[in-house]
Amino acid sequence: SAVISQKPSRDICQRGTSLTIQCQVDSQVTMMFWYRQQPGQSLTLIATANQGSEATYESGFVIDKFPISRPNLTFSTLTVSNMSPEDSSIYLCSVEVFDRAERTFGSGTRLTVV
Amino acid sequence: KNEVEQSPQNLTAQEGEFITINCSYSVGISALHWLQQHPGGGIVSLFMLSSGKKKHGRLIATINIQEKHSSLHITASHPRDSAVYICAVRFSKYSGAGSYQLTFGKGTKLSVIP
Repeated sequence: SAVISQKPSRDICQRGTSLTIQCQVDSQVTMMFWYRQQPGQSLTLIATANQGSEATYESGFVIDKFPISRPNLTFSTLTVSNMSPEDSSIYLCSVEVFDRAERTFGSGTRLTVV
Repeated sequence: KNEVEQSPQNLTAQEGEFITINCSYSVGISALHWLQQHPGGGIVSLFMLSSGKKKHGRLIATINIQEKHSSLHITASHPRDSAVYICAVRFSKYSGAGSYQLTFGKGTKLSVIP
């Protein structure tokens, strides 16, 4: 299965600033996803990162707040913009290869906004 | 209503005990995943099931499609098994891009005491 390198692993940020999270995969994958896990909650899908085109966002998430890039089949970034304490969460990258249905997750980025 | 229900929510066990975590879901699925999340936030995929039973070391996962139920068993539990275990399903009702969607349970927090 694919191996994911997600960076940074954690960060403490000031409100009003932005943080970009990187997800690098060791092989080409079909699907790349970004999730948010708020404290004590299960995972919520933010968006599906599409290679070479705009990401597909889930209800409640918008591009201005969570811009996503996916320039190729092995790399994606998620930016959390104009952060507030409510954005304090774990953010996870996840990938899947078409037709294999196996899902791999990154090590997560633990974000604290102060 | 959460379509994926896990029980128990919290579980404390003595080292060496046999552990069972349960997952039930509401409608037909194409696949079920058992995931392990450590305190740092990263998620490891333990099993992907569509029928029957799988075993890896001390971990066993079973699924009963007719009863819409899956169990994760840990034999001879060890403190290093302490983590949150998450059940995630891929519902058959979704097609196209939606077929990649996973619905997550809220997780079972396991603590194994030496």
